[in-house]
Amino acid sequence: GAGVSQTPSNKVTEKGKYVELRCDPISGHTALYWYRQSLGQGPEFLIYFQGTGAADDSGLPNDRFFAVRPEGSVSTLKIQRTERGDSAVYLCASSLVGGNTEAFFGQGTRLTVV
Amino acid sequence: AQSVTQPDIHITVSEGASLELRCNYSYGATPYLFWYVQSPGQGLQLLLKYFSGDTLVQGIKGFEAEFKRSQSSFNLRKPSVHWSDAAEYFCAVGGNSGNTPLVFGKGTRLSVIA
Repeated sequence: GAGVSQTPSNKVTEKGKYVELRCDPISGHTALYWYRQSLGQGPEFLIYFQGTGAADDSGLPNDRFFAVRPEGSVSTLKIQRTERGDSAVYLCASSLVGGNTEAFFGQGTRLTVV
Repeated sequence: AQSVTQPDIHITVSEGASLELRCNYSYGATPYLFWYVQSPGQGLQLLLKYFSGDTLVQGIKGFEAEFKRSQSSFNLRKPSVHWSDAAEYFCAVGGNSGNTPLVFGKGTRLSVIA
């Protein structure tokens, strides 16, 4: 597609439920990133994929969060047993691999846990 | 560890006035530096980037930024602000591997008054 697409744009869920957030990167971009942006803060890194594998997952806050990218394109961020503190905008970005590259961001999924 | 400081949480300028948004970074090697803009309900849009070479970089929408290694700064400037520039601005730093996940500052909110 023309840009990074994230679905849904908004998600409201009850505390304790499981949610999945989807990211469709720019075609041909093998690098994919997930960030989380809380109110009044800058985006914080969660996880980075090179192809199908997670190259760096050091930003995942705990084991309730995990992400997959089984075919090296679409990625899903999964959150188990959601908590109110998980409420944030989840941003996805993609880029080409190599030096002098830039990341292109989607519009994000706003997750609200009630 | 990498870090980015944007000292100004909120700045208000008059339309037509000049603008400078401050950004200081901490990074152990030559950084990749970025400025992104985020309008309400929108994703992050890249304004400009510095990878190497000329320390004064030009971006979109009439913005420019200057990399000053001695001051660990990458301040964003615009000679004449337009009302449509009102948004949140984020400075970010990445490593020179090209795909290192970005570390963002907390952002500066720009308001433009008539």
